[in-house]
Amino acid sequence: TQLLEQSPQFLSIQEGENLTVYCNSSSVFSSLQWYRQEPGEGPVLLVTVVTGGEVKKLKRLTFQFGDARKDSSLHITAAQPGDTGLYLCAGKTGANNLFFGTGTRLTVIP
Amino acid sequence: KAGVTQTPRYLIKTRGQQVTLSCSPISGHRSVSWYQQTPGQGLQFLFEYFSETQRNKGNFPGRFSGRQFSNSRSEMNVSTLELGDSALYLCASSLGAGLAYEQYFGPGTRLTVT
Repeated sequence: TQLLEQSPQFLSIQEGENLTVYCNSSSVFSSLQWYRQEPGEGPVLLVTVVTGGEVKKLKRLTFQFGDARKDSSLHITAAQPGDTGLYLCAGKTGANNLFFGTGTRLTVIP
Repeated sequence: KAGVTQTPRYLIKTRGQQVTLSCSPISGHRSVSWYQQTPGQGLQFLFEYFSETQRNKGNFPGRFSGRQFSNSRSEMNVSTLELGDSALYLCASSLGAGLAYEQYFGPGTRLTVT
């Protein structure tokens, strides 16, 4: 089983603060995706990172893929209440399987 | 363009019963994947269908099965329900098979087994 562990599991912060969510595994992935899931809805893809060391920015969100392609991080600058949700990382293996992380539930308090 | 739709949205069943869930993909999408989401295990892959053929299968018992119709709509069936089958079942559609294409998730069906 390809285990992707996310930390922290829960995070509650004030609006305007910065935060980082981590996604770690002992396995190597050909690519890694980040999703956000809001209550009552399915996950929505935020980004896909493919190359080790790759950094992608999406407005206030910065995603990084580890050099060894085993881990990733998501950094949010100046969090807003609209960022509230469950953040999921998902790693794709060479065998074309997708494994999801355990999730980080983020609450941004106005 | 309409998104992925799943019916029903909520379902309550009793142990031992069977259940069928339905998924209508985005128009033009030919691949449908199913996932189970629980607080303890997170999001786990069940199976993927493309052109009415199962292309990939996760590590779930044979009680979980699915099929895809010629219009790409898909159903999944769970027989002999167990309490542990209580979960949010998510369907995702994509243009093509495999993971080269972005997956679009539906809102899910919340199944409660009592």
